[in-house]
Amino acid sequence: EAGVAQSPRYKIIEKRQSVAFWCNPISGHATLYWYQQILGQGPKLLIQFQNNGVVDDSQLPKDRFSAERLKGVDSTLKIQPAKLEDSAVYLCASSSDRRETQYFGPGTRLLVL
Amino acid sequence: AQSVTQLGSHVSVSEGALVLLRCNYSSSVPPYLFWYVQYPNQGLQLLLKYTSAATLVKGINGFEAEFKKSETSFHLTKPSAHMSDAAEYFCAVDNFNKFYFGSGTKLNVKP
Repeated sequence: EAGVAQSPRYKIIEKRQSVAFWCNPISGHATLYWYQQILGQGPKLLIQFQNNGVVDDSQLPKDRFSAERLKGVDSTLKIQPAKLEDSAVYLCASSSDRRETQYFGPGTRLLVL
Repeated sequence: AQSVTQLGSHVSVSEGALVLLRCNYSSSVPPYLFWYVQYPNQGLQLLLKYTSAATLVKGINGFEAEFKKSETSFHLTKPSAHMSDAAEYFCAVDNFNKFYFGSGTKLNVKP
């Protein structure tokens, strides 16, 4: 069974630029999560999808971050415009349903200069 | 409010010694509790999870954790550390769709 795929693996941008990350969850998984992991900290949940719908986005900075999950499969996370403090690893995870085991992708490492 | 607290950002043990990583949680509903491990340059991997069944949970690689409601704790233990256990360990709580990770504990294993 293929795992959670993420791309790109690394991204370097200037502040005020925009960037997008892509996630392909495990086939059949209804729940998809995006996390931000700043160096030295634990992952912070940004947004949780259940199929097409948003379950929780209370920690998503909505003035600059947006996410969508079209057709309940792939998802994209966008930052526009980026700030220096957005430098982090962005993790995508999926689970078969809410409260089931989450499987994590390798992450996208973002550096904002 | 902090939902997960991991005491000790760095823990160092000798190979063969007991591993004890501490986690305390706060939750207004019966929580699900998890321990994840992150090896250098690798993704997060589930070690074990508590979902309100047995209070002593056994996971992979010889790790186990005990849910103690009276102490609001879910400490991770392993009787005998191995060099390959060196990694960062994260405790996490699922307050029914509010998922929080702790800040992590880096485990160093000395030969």
